[in-house]
Amino acid sequence: DTEVTQTPKHLVMGMTNKKSLKCEQHMGHRAMYWYKQKAKKPPELMFVYSYEKLSINESVPSRFSPECPNSSLLNLHLHALQPEDSALYLCASSQHVGRAQYFGPGTRLTVL
Amino acid sequence: ELKVEQNPLFLSMQEGKNYTIYCNYSTTSDRLYWYRQDPGKSLESLFVLLSNGAVKQEGRLMASLDTKARLSTLHITAAVHDLSATYFCAVEWETSGSRLTFGEGTQLTVNP
Repeated sequence: DTEVTQTPKHLVMGMTNKKSLKCEQHMGHRAMYWYKQKAKKPPELMFVYSYEKLSINESVPSRFSPECPNSSLLNLHLHALQPEDSALYLCASSQHVGRAQYFGPGTRLTVL
Repeated sequence: ELKVEQNPLFLSMQEGKNYTIYCNYSTTSDRLYWYRQDPGKSLESLFVLLSNGAVKQEGRLMASLDTKARLSTLHITAAVHDLSATYFCAVEWETSGSRLTFGEGTQLTVNP
């Protein structure tokens, strides 16, 4: 299995909703990442997990809450989002931090 | 400040022509990546360049790295319509915790 999967593909939520994005990989990678990408812009790093521990938080607002329950799974919990949070959310994994990152297909999030 | 600059940002070319995309970065890097992104899709890894003078080729695309000039190039040979996409370079610095810093992307359109 050489891919990163993400669910759901699309998500529409209101500003008072709570939802979660899920990312999974079975490549034995020990580093996992969340990126946010706005239209026609490059991805922006949000969080990095290394060996299931949060190693980088790029000053992301607390309405985004990451979780890494095990080495294959990465979640992003969303609560009280704003319309400007609408974007493509990309998950990536790599063998270790500092190795080539493989990206999932992304979740297209719309906040109403 | 770490900066990655790509040019051109927009490139419209005819099938069969050759062209080069440039990626300049502001300080010594550890690794340089090239990614392709189709509209609404995720990022596909094209090349990883690790050392000065590295050259990698895949089909009609060839990437090179000059660490002394802090420059990478992505050369397109005899372009075909299927190469239409946005191409990002991304630089990784271990001193930054192995963060990837992306260029703004080059939106390539290949016209028949």
